[in-house]
Amino acid sequence: AQSVTQPDIHITVSEGASLELRCNYSYGATPYLFWYVQSPGQGLQLLLKYFSGDTLVQGIKGFEAEFKRSQSSFNLRKPSVHWSDAAEYFCAVGGPDSNYQLIWGAGTKLIIKP
Amino acid sequence: GAGVSQSPSNKVTEKGKDVELRCDPISGHTALYWYRQRLGQGLEFLIYFQGNSAPDKSGLPSDRFSAERTGESVSTLTIQRTQQEDSAVYLCASSIRELGYNEQFFGPGTRLTVL
Repeated sequence: AQSVTQPDIHITVSEGASLELRCNYSYGATPYLFWYVQSPGQGLQLLLKYFSGDTLVQGIKGFEAEFKRSQSSFNLRKPSVHWSDAAEYFCAVGGPDSNYQLIWGAGTKLIIKP
Repeated sequence: GAGVSQSPSNKVTEKGKDVELRCDPISGHTALYWYRQRLGQGLEFLIYFQGNSAPDKSGLPSDRFSAERTGESVSTLTIQRTQQEDSAVYLCASSIRELGYNEQFFGPGTRLTVL
């Protein structure tokens, strides 16, 4: 079955510390992978996406993610978080095996300690 | 405007009343999606429109929920005889299917409160 797992419901990090949000998926041979951010009271915004090619992708706001096919993972990273990064982060997978519809993880809420 | 717009931004209704939510996708986007997001939870797929194809209604939770789309433009999501468990944010997204992938662009959502 196609699915996305974000194992951490909440993560707390200190401002300036590094961040890694985990995402594991179950999908067919051609996953298209996405990370979206939802700030309080705002809509979802695309951070980055992976379709093919270089497995390390760069996104907006200093975020990056690495696609590891052998681990079925697409973890999101940032070397130094800012208080404005406090938000909820959603991982999603789509592609031809789901008729191009996105399958969403449940989200990880990021809390920043001053 | 350049983005996906939704109206109203907030809707408060009484249990048993019908509500209609509107979505204006990005011009030229052939695919349109409706999602429900309950408080503190992820996105729950409701319905998907792609061009003139029959919509994928597999996510609609009950026959009280229906949606229409006029061509490749405006869509309305209708909830009949609302229940308190319908309270949620309803998100609309659009994408260009023809690109072969599915980067979705989201509207700000409609927050529905059923009293």
